[in-house]
Amino acid sequence: GQQVMQIPQYQHVQEGEDFTTYCNSSTTLSNIQWYKQRPGGHPVFLIQLVKSGEVKKQKRLTFQFGEAKKNSSLHITATQTTDVGTYFCAGPYAGGTSYGKLTFGQGTILTVHP
Amino acid sequence: DGGITQSPKYLFRKEGQNVTLSCEQNLNHDAMYWYRQDPGQGLRLIYYSQIVNDFQKGDIAEGYSVSREKKESFPLTVTSAQKNPTAFYLCASRRMDYNSPLHFGNGTRLTVT
Repeated sequence: GQQVMQIPQYQHVQEGEDFTTYCNSSTTLSNIQWYKQRPGGHPVFLIQLVKSGEVKKQKRLTFQFGEAKKNSSLHITATQTTDVGTYFCAGPYAGGTSYGKLTFGQGTILTVHP
Repeated sequence: DGGITQSPKYLFRKEGQNVTLSCEQNLNHDAMYWYRQDPGQGLRLIYYSQIVNDFQKGDIAEGYSVSREKKESFPLTVTSAQKNPTAFYLCASRRMDYNSPLHFGNGTRLTVT
């Protein structure tokens, strides 16, 4: 079945440092979605990428979708303590009979030290 | 306000008992999902439903059952056959267009002793 791998599993940074998490799929994705889960909370949708090679920015966050639509990354510039949480990527299956099934990566837990 | 309601927030059960987790949404979404979250393992799909009276197994359906009798409701039963039921359970919903994102409930933390 489809697998979505995310690395690293943990990342500890000092406030002000940059952070990147990577997502790789075993199959081609029609789109990739990114979610953030604050400690004790539930995942909240951040953004979706659809086109091959797409790059989107949200303030200090930059999201990229690979040319082959099998990988993606999230980069945070100059982290702040409010960035703490777990970041997940998720992709629907691009073909077959699993329409509507979203598969999540394992997530990257980000800790920011003030 | 539209949203997804999961209840209760915390649930404690003795081993060998079935337990049902509630999930209700008023977003008029067609698709609903149940995920299980364990530390360090991300979100794993248990069951999902794209239409009333129909549902599909996810990656870890064994020991769980669901029903979808109404569009708004998608309860999950954790049966005594589930070998490791203690976890954080998240319900989600979305519109049934291919690029629609998930909206999550606040989750139910189940502890079985």
